[in-house]
Amino acid sequence: GENVEQHPSTLSVQEGDSAVIKCTYSDSASNYFPWYKQELGKGPQLIIDIRSNVGEKKDQRIAVTLNKTAKHFSLHITETQPEDSAVYFCAASPNQGGKLIFGQGTELSVKP
Amino acid sequence: KAGVTQTPRYLIKTRGQQVTLSCSPISGHRSVSWYQQTPGQGLQFLFEYFSETQRNKGNFPGRFSGRQFSNSRSEMNVSTLELGDSALYLCASSPLGGSDTQYFGPGTRLTVL
Repeated sequence: GENVEQHPSTLSVQEGDSAVIKCTYSDSASNYFPWYKQELGKGPQLIIDIRSNVGEKKDQRIAVTLNKTAKHFSLHITETQPEDSAVYFCAASPNQGGKLIFGQGTELSVKP
Repeated sequence: KAGVTQTPRYLIKTRGQQVTLSCSPISGHRSVSWYQQTPGQGLQFLFEYFSETQRNKGNFPGRFSGRQFSNSRSEMNVSTLELGDSALYLCASSPLGGSDTQYFGPGTRLTVL
């Protein structure tokens, strides 16, 4: 079945360090992989996404890599700041009418 | 552009009642997807509407239903509420659905007593 595994479930780093979150998907038909940041009391906010025809994408301090053969993708945040503290979700789209399959989330804590 | 809006933001109901939640997508977006978020199950897909038609449905019982209007606004309805229906209900809009980028609203927090 369709499944996305996300690790770790919690991650604590010092301000200025890098953070890496990893996800693995099961449906090889998946072709779109967004990452969302969710702060307390808010809806998920898109931070970066990647499509299956690209291996890596970067936007300032945030980058995402995709390995289609291994069916895994990762989020990299460099020079972390306290305001990066939130829950991060990866997702995969099996190209089925607006459906996203989400990972279980990673609670990132950046300590000043 | 205004973002996705959801009303109401908070709702308290009792078991057996029904509830209707509303979602207004970003202007120009024609696809609306609904998700349920709980601590135990995470974010789960409910259904997606495009041009007033349900195109895809997740694994939820028939008590969960939805519809979309000609202006792309969408509603979801849950009948015969159960305690386990307590959750944050999120809607997301995208221009055409499929693998388009989805933008989420703030959600409706439903508590069933």
